[in-house]
Amino acid sequence: GAGVSQTPSNKVTEKGKYVELRCDPISGHTALYWYRQSLGQGPEFLIYFQGTGAADDSGLPNDRFFAVRPEGSVSTLKIQRTERGDSAVYLCASSTTGTERDTQYFGPGTRLTVL
Amino acid sequence: EDKVVQSPLSLVVHEGDTVTLNCSYEVTNFRSLLWYKQEKKAPTFLFMLTSSGIEKKSGRLSSILDKKELSSILNITATQTGDSAIYLCANNNAGNMLTFGGGTRLMVKP
Repeated sequence: GAGVSQTPSNKVTEKGKYVELRCDPISGHTALYWYRQSLGQGPEFLIYFQGTGAADDSGLPNDRFFAVRPEGSVSTLKIQRTERGDSAVYLCASSTTGTERDTQYFGPGTRLTVL
Repeated sequence: EDKVVQSPLSLVVHEGDTVTLNCSYEVTNFRSLLWYKQEKKAPTFLFMLTSSGIEKKSGRLSSILDKKELSSILNITATQTGDSAIYLCANNNAGNMLTFGGGTRLMVKP
């Protein structure tokens, strides 16, 4: 079956611009997660959705970052007024029900470069 | 604040060698510990460990958790060039977010 997909695979933008990153989870998975991975580091948690609602957004670094999942499937991570420090690989993951015993399956990520 | 530390940071071995990767954690609510392999961008799932002392095995890879020592190891026997990757360890706390270590970069030379 299809895994988690993310688009675009690469995004280059200029400082101050707005970007949207899309995640399509595994069909039927109710839990969806966004992580950010800077070069040479492990992924860092950003936000977790259970269905349509954000159950935990404690990892979002500031109010320039926002994510939605309006129909409980596809999610979009939105970054306003991008800064060079936002450059990273943005990873999306999904799991069956979101319990701590569920495996999170990751997509290939979007590499964001802010010039 | 939850913390996961992996060692070594990087490792270079030759095909056929056996390697042991280490992961230690300090977390407030331990639920499970996971290992992932990251070759390009997508981390791919290897193991989930919840109980101490029970080895999980998949082919040449195996892993075990020691809750007393707050650590886990990932063993790879008879390494192959295809094992070259970053190996990530992560804790899943009660809030469902994964806290990752910095990873161990393994390079297997022919």
